[in-house]
Amino acid sequence: EDKVVQSPLSLVVHEGDTVTLNCSYEVTNFRSLLWYKQEKKAPTFLFMLTSSGIEKKSGRLSSILDKKELFSILNITATQTGDSAIYLCAALYNQGGKLIFGQGTELSVKP
Amino acid sequence: GAVVSQHPSWVICKSGTSVKIECRSLDFQATTMFWYRQFPKQSLMLMATSNEGSKATYEQGVEKDKFLINHASLTLSTLTVTSAHPEDSSFYICSASGTDKLAKNIQYFGAGTRLSVL
Repeated sequence: EDKVVQSPLSLVVHEGDTVTLNCSYEVTNFRSLLWYKQEKKAPTFLFMLTSSGIEKKSGRLSSILDKKELFSILNITATQTGDSAIYLCAALYNQGGKLIFGQGTELSVKP
Repeated sequence: GAVVSQHPSWVICKSGTSVKIECRSLDFQATTMFWYRQFPKQSLMLMATSNEGSKATYEQGVEKDKFLINHASLTLSTLTVTSAHPEDSSFYICSASGTDKLAKNIQYFGAGTRLSVL
């Protein structure tokens, strides 16, 4: 059965800390790995990773995919209270556009 | 970025009534729309996939007669929860993806609808 597993499930840090969120997957017909940030309502898109070893970066956030070991990480440097959210990773299937989501990592950044 | 609007954001209804939720892509053509359900502290569970102009494909365990999905245009999909019961109370989120560069293979999400059935 296909699955996406995130760790840790929750994390509490202080402002300025650097965090690494993990996502592993076992998915047949895998195409890409996506990261989303969910605050109170709608998940907002962060990154889509299709190629192995190529880092994607947006401000203090960066992510990379390892297709050999079947995992991805999301790094957040110099965390701020506004980074507090649930971070979801999802595997995109090769056909049909479906996503399978992990459980999410709940990040709490304390002042 | 691509914007998806979902309405209403919150609805309370009596048991036995039907509720319709709308999902619109505002700045791109959504060839495919997805409907998810999310329980508290849990991840998103895909309910169904709908392609414009064709019948929705439901995930295993989702009752298609209970959750009616219509995707009549490239910018609008609706989910109707028929004869709602308290166990249908949940957070329903739609997403949309398209074929243009902005939305290809990326699902953009609506803000979700919290359904409470009394």
